[in-house]
Amino acid sequence: AQTVTQSQPEMSVQEAETVTLSCTYDTSESDYYLFWYKQPPSRQMILVIRQEAYKQQNATENRFSVNFQKAAKSFSLKISDSQLGDAAMYFCAYRSARDDKIIFGKGTRLHILP
Amino acid sequence: DSGVTQTPKHLITATGQRVTLRCSPRSGDLSVYWYQQSLDQGLQFLIHYYNGEERAKGNILERFSAQQFPDLHSELNLSSLELGDSALYFCASSSLNLGSAGYTFGSGTRLTVV
Repeated sequence: AQTVTQSQPEMSVQEAETVTLSCTYDTSESDYYLFWYKQPPSRQMILVIRQEAYKQQNATENRFSVNFQKAAKSFSLKISDSQLGDAAMYFCAYRSARDDKIIFGKGTRLHILP
Repeated sequence: DSGVTQTPKHLITATGQRVTLRCSPRSGDLSVYWYQQSLDQGLQFLIHYYNGEERAKGNILERFSAQQFPDLHSELNLSSLELGDSALYFCASSSLNLGSAGYTFGSGTRLTVV
């Protein structure tokens, strides 16, 4: 069974600095998708960034980028120029290309220090 | 507004009772997914419906059931409620060809069992 592991329950970063959230996953499949979702205090789940496993190029969305290491089954999220509005719970997630179900990690709570 | 509507937003009920959570998917989406988020936990997949038919089932308790109606709205029924059922219940929807897209989530229903 596929699993997603986020080893950092909580992290803090100074405003304007860069922070990296870690995620590893376990799968025997070769075709899949990876996601980072953000859950602010409003509790709304917001898709931050996604990566197709067949693409070697790392995805980037403005200040958010990923480091996708397929062989190591690692998918970290880098947030540059951290802003107060980035404070949230961040979930790493996996979906097999053969399935519609998304599997989530337990999340990393990110604090932004002013 | 994500386009996925969940009602009610908050629900407080007593142990042993039964409740119904409602979800209206984003316009055009045929798939509805239900997830449970307990305290300090990630999102646990409960069930997936596509165009009225059950497609996949996760770790959903026998006390829980769901259905998707012809107008595509879905209901999650929770019965014989226990204190441990207190959680945030999310509904999400997606289109036919999910591809690399993630889901669109509703804002959740906060269930408190007392």
